[in-house]
Amino acid sequence: AQRVTQPEKLLSVFKGAPVELKCNYSYSGSPELFWYVQYSRQRLQLLLRHISRESIKGFTADLNKGETSFHLKKPFAQEEDSAMYYCALGTGGYNKLIFGAGTRLAVHP
Amino acid sequence: GAVVSQHPSRVICKSGTSVKIECRSLDFQATTMFWYRQFPKQSLMLMATSNEGSKATYEQGVEKDKFLINHASLTLSTLTVTSAHPEDSSFYICSARDTSGREHYNEQFFGPGTRLTVL
Repeated sequence: AQRVTQPEKLLSVFKGAPVELKCNYSYSGSPELFWYVQYSRQRLQLLLRHISRESIKGFTADLNKGETSFHLKKPFAQEEDSAMYYCALGTGGYNKLIFGAGTRLAVHP
Repeated sequence: GAVVSQHPSRVICKSGTSVKIECRSLDFQATTMFWYRQFPKQSLMLMATSNEGSKATYEQGVEKDKFLINHASLTLSTLTVTSAHPEDSSFYICSARDTSGREHYNEQFFGPGTRLTVL
């Protein structure tokens, strides 16, 4: 079965603390993983994708096929990072996305 | 670049009426668009994949006669909720896939969503 699991509904940290948003997936094929972010009252936007292997706004994510994970990390959280984060799995020829339940990151001053 | 618009942003209708939601890619051509549904405090659930010039592909459990999808051009897909009922009230979001060969190849760009309330 194709599934994306984000175990934490809410992650609350203080500014400057490290952040790790967990994501695990289940997929029999070759996965393409994404992290999307939704700031308050804004549309969903791509944060990063595993094939790019880049760092966006200080966030990184490494695909671990052995653990079927794609955790999102940032060493020092900022208040402006507060948002809803969705992990997504791209599947099939049209690369349709299967989303996790989302994790709300709250960064406190 | 790579902007997707939706219209209307919010609609309230009476039970039994039909509602059409438009999704447009403003500065790129999208042979494939996707329609999602999002309930309050829940994730996005894919409803269907819309392909230009052909029939949409619906996800399991989504009624194709209830949610009519038309993708008549490379920049426009429409979702019509037919004979809407209160349980159809939700946030409907579309996305368009950019396959133009630019740096955002195969990336999905999301619209702002349409909030449907059926009375």
